[in-house]
Amino acid sequence: GENVEQHPSTLSVQEGDSAVIKCTYSDSASNYFPWYKQELGKGPQLIIDIRSNVGEKKDQRIAVTLNKTAKHFSLHITETQPEDSAVYFCAASKSSSASKIIFGSGTRLSIRP
Amino acid sequence: GAVVSQHPSRVICKSGTSVKIECRSLDFQATTMFWYRQFPKQSLMLMATSNEGSKATYEQGVEKDKFLINHASLTLSTLTVTSAHPEDSSFYICSARSGDRGHPNEQFFGPGTRLTVL
Repeated sequence: GENVEQHPSTLSVQEGDSAVIKCTYSDSASNYFPWYKQELGKGPQLIIDIRSNVGEKKDQRIAVTLNKTAKHFSLHITETQPEDSAVYFCAASKSSSASKIIFGSGTRLSIRP
Repeated sequence: GAVVSQHPSRVICKSGTSVKIECRSLDFQATTMFWYRQFPKQSLMLMATSNEGSKATYEQGVEKDKFLINHASLTLSTLTVTSAHPEDSSFYICSARSGDRGHPNEQFFGPGTRLTVL
């Protein structure tokens, strides 16, 4: 089955700097890669996703890249702000009504003022 | 749009009692709902997948008689933790998939329910 690995597990970044979180997946049939932000005591919220027919997607300060050949995908947050502090999860899934979303282990991002 | 609610947000119960958690899709019909469990500082662990009108499919290692799931309508799924024990204390999160909104596999998550068993 699908396996998603995520690094780093913790990341501390100076406010204003960029943060990068990387994930790899094992199932080449996966074609949907969402990223979730989870704040303390809350459910995960989708912040951006990318599908396998594109290599990069950007939404304001957040961007995701996908390398299907290497089975890597990354989240980039630029100009980080204190409210970006949270746990971020990458995930992978296939386009099938029976497919589950497989989550990475999470990255705890802390923004230093 | 695509809002999922959970009730209650927090529940404390005595060991041996049963607890029911509700998950509702507020502005769309959810053909499939998922139940996850999350321990502190860990990722989400899928417990079961439920399709409206049919029996839930449980992940390996999840006791179906312990965690009863009912998906009676396209907007409501319930998880009942039966004969709860302290080791069942956790953060339970549901999600819903529409099938006709967003990516076919896009899931919309609820805010979670913190269960504490004394």
